[in-house]
Amino acid sequence: DSGVTQTPKHLITATGQRVTLRCSPRSGDLSVYWYQQSLDQGLQFLIQYYNGEERAKGNILERFSAQQFPDLHSELNLSSLELGDSALYFCASSVPRQGPNTGELFFGEGSRLTVL
Amino acid sequence: SQQGEEDPQALSIQEGENATMNCSYKTSINNLQWYRQNSGRGLVHLILIRSNEREKHSGRLRVTLDTSKKSSSLLITASRAADTASYFCATDAGSNYQLIWGAGTKLIIKP
Repeated sequence: DSGVTQTPKHLITATGQRVTLRCSPRSGDLSVYWYQQSLDQGLQFLIQYYNGEERAKGNILERFSAQQFPDLHSELNLSSLELGDSALYFCASSVPRQGPNTGELFFGEGSRLTVL
Repeated sequence: SQQGEEDPQALSIQEGENATMNCSYKTSINNLQWYRQNSGRGLVHLILIRSNEREKHSGRLRVTLDTSKKSSSLLITASRAADTASYFCATDAGSNYQLIWGAGTKLIIKP
């Protein structure tokens, strides 16, 4: 158990709909990362938050948005869903670090989104 | 852009044999990390090796880093069925606070 909690574990929805994925990082971790993994593919970095502020942005579509709340949990909002958005969405957290070096990431078990 | 490239893409060996996976990258790095992912599950951190380190061990895992060749290898000794998973390398190049991930090596251990 990594200590990172993601909900829901599975989600089935229709094209055009909007969903919200939730992540609770490990206790004490200030950074939250969101990744997308399509079937049998590698990880696509979406976005990172550090202590409530956006720190880095990857290949995140304009239809997607995220935020990190004062209690450090984070939500990833996916709207106007398309078939190609079907994927595993992972959240990860890491310990606070000075400077840009990135250490070990702790991953949740993911939210599997299926868009029909 | 993809920094890490794992090789091979897939590897199938008999239980008890050693498995070696390689990772190449393009720019200078602060550290390189290896992760394991069982099918459909979250990734699990295995080892982090810093740029000034050449070799690191953890149980049956041995990681080497050659910064002159910009490459790393992960050796799993005496493989077990439970080692069946995908293995990813990720590099911290100190830019943009994010890790750059390879596409992974799918390892299958045959009983």
